[in-house]
Amino acid sequence: GQNIDQPTEMTATEGAIVQINCTYQTSGFNGLFWYQQHAGEAPTFLSYNVLDGLEEKGRFSSFLSRSKGYSYLLLKELQMKDSASYLCAVRPDRGSTLGRLYFGRGTQLTVWP
Amino acid sequence: GAGVSQSPSNKVTEKGKDVELRCDPISGHTALYWYRQSLGQGLEFLIYFQGNSAPDKSGLPSDRFSAERTGGSVSTLTIQRTQQEDSAVYLCASSLASPSETQYFGPGTRLLVL
Repeated sequence: GQNIDQPTEMTATEGAIVQINCTYQTSGFNGLFWYQQHAGEAPTFLSYNVLDGLEEKGRFSSFLSRSKGYSYLLLKELQMKDSASYLCAVRPDRGSTLGRLYFGRGTQLTVWP
Repeated sequence: GAGVSQSPSNKVTEKGKDVELRCDPISGHTALYWYRQSLGQGLEFLIYFQGNSAPDKSGLPSDRFSAERTGGSVSTLTIQRTQQEDSAVYLCASSLASPSETQYFGPGTRLLVL
């Protein structure tokens, strides 16, 4: 089966840096996605990694190590609006399941003033 | 431009009734996906369409669940004889022609089965 693990909850203060980890064991690998989901809203795309290394996009960065089955999302200069659930998702690479994403349960981040 | 839209946004139904959930993908997106998000759980894949055909429907939890897509655009997810365990948020996503593209999600339909 497919297994995606991430912490359930994290807290941080405004202006700080937080790192949300994700580990995965899947039957194949063709990319890892991070989504942000505010309560009651649609998940919105944050980042995509398919090769090892760091992808930076403004205050958000995402890292991937395929050999370790590990990724993290780094959020800098935290703002109150960053309080949300962060979803890690893996896309397998196998025939007709190419379209499917496997999601972790999400990490609920609370940013305090 | 318009994103993925879903209707209704909320649906309350009685156990045993049938429900239909609708998804309008982003214009030009040929791939469409349905997921389910239960309280405290991760998003669970249900079915994937490429055009009007469904190469992967292995995530549908039972034969009470079915989905169709017509004209390569709008999709309908139907749940027959609803059960309380069907209560969840049903999310639709779409992507460009290749399934390797990023999936963009709609706001979901919150289904409550009493």
